[in-house]
Amino acid sequence: DAGVIQSPRHEVTEMGQEVTLRCKPISGHNSLFWYRQTMMRGLELLIYFNNNVPIDDSGMPEDRFSAKMPNASFSTLKIQPSEPRDSAVYFCASRPTGGTTGELFFGEGSRLTVL
Amino acid sequence: TQLLEQSPQFLSIQEGENLTVYCNSSSVFSSLQWYRQEPGEGPVLLVTVVTGGEVKKLKRLTFQFGDARKDSSLHITAAQPGDTGLYLCAGVTTDSWGKLQFGAGTQVVVTP
Repeated sequence: DAGVIQSPRHEVTEMGQEVTLRCKPISGHNSLFWYRQTMMRGLELLIYFNNNVPIDDSGMPEDRFSAKMPNASFSTLKIQPSEPRDSAVYFCASRPTGGTTGELFFGEGSRLTVL
Repeated sequence: TQLLEQSPQFLSIQEGENLTVYCNSSSVFSSLQWYRQEPGEGPVLLVTVVTGGEVKKLKRLTFQFGDARKDSSLHITAAQPGDTGLYLCAGVTTDSWGKLQFGAGTQVVVTP
């Protein structure tokens, strides 16, 4: 069975450029999470969706970050304009239910480097 | 400040030794999970605990949820090199429906 699929796996861009990260959750999962991982701050929750609706975006750093989930099988995280401090590994994860105890299934991450 | 504080940050031990990783908070959790992450991969779930005082065992790993549901521990008996990885605790507080937040993690290295 296909797991959570993220693209691109690696992205190197220059400061000021737009970056779009993509995620395909596991079919049938109705919750989707975006996390950012750095050595300094660990895994930070950016935003999560339930049934394609954003439930909590309080972790989104600033207006340069935006996330969408137009349907149950696709989500994007966009950074515009990108800055060097945005360099991190961005993970997407999905969960079968909207409850509090379900397992999160993570993608392999998108490693972003902003020069 | 982190919602979940993990200690220690780093642990290096010899094969066959025991180790314990701690996860603490001032918040009450409706559920708490432990994940393990290896380089270049996403975290993978090890266990979920939901009841205060609960103890779960997974082969050589023992997980405990505090009575007040504010803390948890992971104990590994007779560690093996395959136990090497980043161990992360994650929880959902009672006032945040479905929002899973992670601690900073404990990097465990087990040398032969």
